[in-house]
Amino acid sequence: AQKITQTQPGMFVQEKEAVTLDCTYDTSDQSYGLFWYKQPSSGEMIFLIYQGSYDEQNATEGRYSLNFQKARKSANLVISASQLGDSAMYFCALRWGGFKTIFGAGTRLFVKA
Amino acid sequence: EAGVTQFPSHSVIEKGQTVTLRCDPISGHDNLYWYRRVMGKEIKFLLHFVKESKQDESGMPNNRFLAERTGGTYSTLKVQPAELEDSGVYFCASSRGIKSTDTQYFGPGTRLTVL
Repeated sequence: AQKITQTQPGMFVQEKEAVTLDCTYDTSDQSYGLFWYKQPSSGEMIFLIYQGSYDEQNATEGRYSLNFQKARKSANLVISASQLGDSAMYFCALRWGGFKTIFGAGTRLFVKA
Repeated sequence: EAGVTQFPSHSVIEKGQTVTLRCDPISGHDNLYWYRRVMGKEIKFLLHFVKESKQDESGMPNNRFLAERTGGTYSTLKVQPAELEDSGVYFCASSRGIKSTDTQYFGPGTRLTVL
């Protein structure tokens, strides 16, 4: 069965520093996608970054990068140069079999000034 | 391009009442999904529409929940009668395709509180 795990309930980071949010997954499917979403206090879910199982390069989107280690089944999100506006809940998601998606429990990130 | 919209943003009802949530997907997205996050728990899949057809409703908790997508555009999720455990945030998402590579874009959610 598919599984996705975020082991860090909460993280603190100093403004302008980089932070890594952990995500591990398990699936027997060869084709799958890994997504990260940000949920600020306003509640909406904002898509950040995507990594496909066959992608050889790690995905990057501005200050966000995904450290994809397929053999370890990890897809950690790296936020460089943290900003106060990055304080939010972050969810890792695994998508397989077309539309099936499961989410991790989330990591709450606090950025300190 | 407008994003996924949901209405209402908040709803507070009493146990036993009926509530209808609405979701408008991104224009051109045939695939529409409903998810729910109960307080302190993970986001759970409820169901998936392809146009007006229910592709998968395996996540629907029970028959008090009814989702429709008439005409393949917006969708409604009705809870009747509502119970206390139905409280949570209901998210709608849409995607153009259903491949694992297709990004699902989420709406802002509807926060439902059942008293």
